[in-house]
Amino acid sequence: AQTVTQSQPEMSVQEAETVTLSCTYDTSENNYYLFWYKQPPSRQMILVIRQEAYKQQNATENRFSVNFQKAAKSFSLKISDSQLGDTAMYFCVVNTDKLIFGTGTRLQVFP
Amino acid sequence: GAGVSQSPRYKVAKRGQDVALRCDPISGHVSLFWYQQALGQGPEFLTYFQNEAQLDKSGLPSDRFFAERPEGSVSTLKIQRTQQEDSAVYLCASSLGVGQGSYEQYFGPGTRLTVT
Repeated sequence: AQTVTQSQPEMSVQEAETVTLSCTYDTSENNYYLFWYKQPPSRQMILVIRQEAYKQQNATENRFSVNFQKAAKSFSLKISDSQLGDTAMYFCVVNTDKLIFGTGTRLQVFP
Repeated sequence: GAGVSQSPRYKVAKRGQDVALRCDPISGHVSLFWYQQALGQGPEFLTYFQNEAQLDKSGLPSDRFFAERPEGSVSTLKIQRTQQEDSAVYLCASSLGVGQGSYEQYFGPGTRLTVT
């Protein structure tokens, strides 16, 4: 069975600062995909960033980057220059044959 | 273009009633997914369609849950004889690609079901 663990239920960061959200997962598959999805308050879930497990290079998407450690099964998300619009629930997701979501980290960005 | 839409946005049902939740995916998207999101939890996979074929229904919690996508576009999730534990947000997602691999899934706003 695949599991995704997000050990930080809530985090806060000041605007313009950097924050890192943690995620660990467990899967017996060798080929899989990892995602971070964002669910803003009362708004739809959207994809933040994607990482293919066979790629060693960490994915980056503007202010968002990941630290992917395959051996440790760790997949953290770093948000640089945090903005008020980054306030949301963030889900770490593993995909082998279906999306498996973590329980989420609620991020609050303060002015 | 239009995103994924779901209706109704909110549904209150009395225990024992049947409900039907609708999902309109993005036009041309082959794959369609249903998820159940309990309060304070991450979404959990329910079922997956490729066009009109239901290829995976392993996440449906009981035989009271039934999903269909008869013409490969709009999908309906039906819950018979609703129970209080069915209260959740039901999310629909669609993607352009085939399978549940790397393609981005586009999510709808969800239907919040409350069973009283």
